[in-house]
Amino acid sequence: SQQGEEDPQALSIQEGENATMNCSYKTSINNLQWYRQNSGRGLVHLILIRSNEREKHSGRLRVTLDTSKKSSSLLITASRAADTASYFCATDRYRDDKIIFGKGTRLHILP
Amino acid sequence: DSGVTQTPKHLITATGQRVTLRCSPRSGDLSVYWYQQSLDQGLQFLIQYYNGEERAKGNILERFSAQQFPDLHSELNLSSLELGDSALYFCASSSHGNTEAFFGQGTRLTVV
Repeated sequence: SQQGEEDPQALSIQEGENATMNCSYKTSINNLQWYRQNSGRGLVHLILIRSNEREKHSGRLRVTLDTSKKSSSLLITASRAADTASYFCATDRYRDDKIIFGKGTRLHILP
Repeated sequence: DSGVTQTPKHLITATGQRVTLRCSPRSGDLSVYWYQQSLDQGLQFLIQYYNGEERAKGNILERFSAQQFPDLHSELNLSSLELGDSALYFCASSSHGNTEAFFGQGTRLTVV
C-alpha cells in the first residue's frame, strides 16, 4: 500500500534534545510531506520533499528522503515544549493526487 | 488560520440519521480532500475533488458521498449513521494535486 508508516509510534524526550521520527512507505512516490497535529486540531504542513531531493531544511526541521530504502526521516533540533504534537508523513504518487497519511508519531517534550 | 473553513465544528446526532459537513477551501484552491480520523488513529483518505470533479477515491463507505460545487466549496454527506462513524472529519485544500494541503479545523461528529 502507499500508506506511510511512522516509527516510533510514540516518543518522549527532554526539552532541548533532538527528536527523530522515521517514515517508511511501500510504493514509489512523487512527493513526501510532513505534517504536525496538535491534539484534536487540524494538521499543519511542515515541509514537502520531492522524490528527486535528498534533504531539506526549514528552521529547526531537517527532512531526509532515501527513495532506494523508501524511507524518510524528520529531525527536530533543540526541541521545545510547543513541539509536543503528533507528526504525520504523507505521500502522493506521480499522476495520482491522493495524499495518503500514515498513523503518526506522538511526540512528547518533557520539561 | 489555514484559510480552510469547516462547519459545523461539532455535531451530535443519532444512529440512522443523515448529516452534511461543509468545507470552504482556501481562496484560489481548486482541490479539496476529505479525511476521517478516528480516536488515536491516522487520517483515512475518503475522497478528493478537483475543480468540481471527483479525482480520487479512498475507502469511502457507500453510505458516504461528497460533491464539490461550482463555487468550489464541498460537502460530505454521511447517511444511515452508525456509532462507528463517530470521528473527526477533516477537509483540506490545495492549489492542485501534489502540493501542500491546508487543513480545516475539522468537524467532530458524535453518533449516539
